[in-house]
Amino acid sequence: AQSVSQHNHHVILSEAASLELGCNYSYGGTVNLFWYVQYPGQHLQLLLKYFSGDPLVKGIKGFEAEFIKSKFSFNLRKPSVQWSDTAEYFCAVGNSGYALNFGKGTSLLVTP
Amino acid sequence: EAGVTQFPSHSVIEKGQTVTLRCDPISGHDNLYWYRRVMGKEIKFLLHFVKESKQDESGMPNNRFLAERTGGTYSTLKVQPAELEDSGVYFCASSLYPAVRWDNEQFFGPGTRLTVL
Repeated sequence: AQSVSQHNHHVILSEAASLELGCNYSYGGTVNLFWYVQYPGQHLQLLLKYFSGDPLVKGIKGFEAEFIKSKFSFNLRKPSVQWSDTAEYFCAVGNSGYALNFGKGTSLLVTP
Repeated sequence: EAGVTQFPSHSVIEKGQTVTLRCDPISGHDNLYWYRRVMGKEIKFLLHFVKESKQDESGMPNNRFLAERTGGTYSTLKVQPAELEDSGVYFCASSLYPAVRWDNEQFFGPGTRLTVL
């Protein structure tokens, strides 16, 4: 079945630690890939997206993600997290049409 | 520019009651989407409007759910009668164009948290 898998459901890091959140998808054909973030009490917002070209994409707030086609992966990274990065992170795939297909989300807590 | 707004932010109802959720998209966005996140699960697509027309309602769970977008502006999602498994967060999103494309971001609202007791 077509799906988006986020491997880590809950992650706790100390400030300045490096972050990598895993995302794998099982859709065939051309895919467009997204990471969304939901800060506490706020709406979902787009962090970054990949459609084509350089597989290493940079987003807002120092985040980046790498598309590895052979691994069907689109992992999110940040070299040094801050307390303000505490949020829930969602990987999403758009493979046709208009609907986004989301993973279950990863809750990140950054401790001071 | 105002973002996507949703009302109410929270709703607690009893099983068997009716609830209506409202979404106001960004002005000028013809495309409006409803998604739902049941606790511990993925955010799942429910349906898509282009203006007042339903383009795709393949994600609607059953006929207890009715979405409308009269006049092509705001949309409502009615659940009647509500069941326990309907609890979750209902997100609305809007976009300029219908397709997933580079220049067509889906902007999300803050969601309505529905609890059915």
